[in-house]
Amino acid sequence: NAGVTQTPKFQVLKTGQSMTLQCAQDMNHEYMSWYRQDPGMGLRLIHYSVGAGITDQGEVPNGYNVSRSTTEDFPLRLLSAAPSQTSVYFCASSYDQGQDTSYEQYFGPGTRLTVT
Amino acid sequence: RKEVEQDPGPFNVPEGATVAFNCTYSNSASQSFFWYRQDCRKEPKLLMSVYSSGNEDGRFTAQLNRASQYISLLIRDSKLSDSATYLCVVAEGFKTIFGAGTRLFVKA
Repeated sequence: NAGVTQTPKFQVLKTGQSMTLQCAQDMNHEYMSWYRQDPGMGLRLIHYSVGAGITDQGEVPNGYNVSRSTTEDFPLRLLSAAPSQTSVYFCASSYDQGQDTSYEQYFGPGTRLTVT
Repeated sequence: RKEVEQDPGPFNVPEGATVAFNCTYSNSASQSFFWYRQDCRKEPKLLMSVYSSGNEDGRFTAQLNRASQYISLLIRDSKLSDSATYLCVVAEGFKTIFGAGTRLFVKA
């Protein structure tokens, strides 16, 4: 299994540009999430999905859209990039193991985004 | 107030030392608790879950105090390879909140 994959690894955008960060998992996990990580802030949840066709907002959803047309894919769209969106973006997947390790998050390698 | 708070460190310790990290959380409905490890410029990975009875995995011991809403991680006999950022993680069902992390540097 490849686990959770993300593309691209690095991206530079100009203010106002749009783009899509790709995320895919091959573990048949129900749950997928997008986080951003900024220095001193920890990981903050942007959007999440509990299954194909179902998405919801996390802590910092403004400026981002998501969709979940298949179990495997969960792309994150930046509608009009702003310098405040410069960050490291992590996609994660998980599933209910029905025990104390429920919802262990499996992360992709991250996308480092710079908006100038 | 942040939902999950950790001492950011850094903790600088010599090899062989014992080091303890603490974490507090504000949501009393939280159900699951974890410690993740994150190496520089890498993704976080699960280190261990934290059970109410406390649990140990080799040199690592995790404790949970639900009444005080407090989680701890103890690392004994520190190795150079333990140098990383340790993230305290609290979950209510699927929704997961990460602390900002505590940086650990283990020196020879």
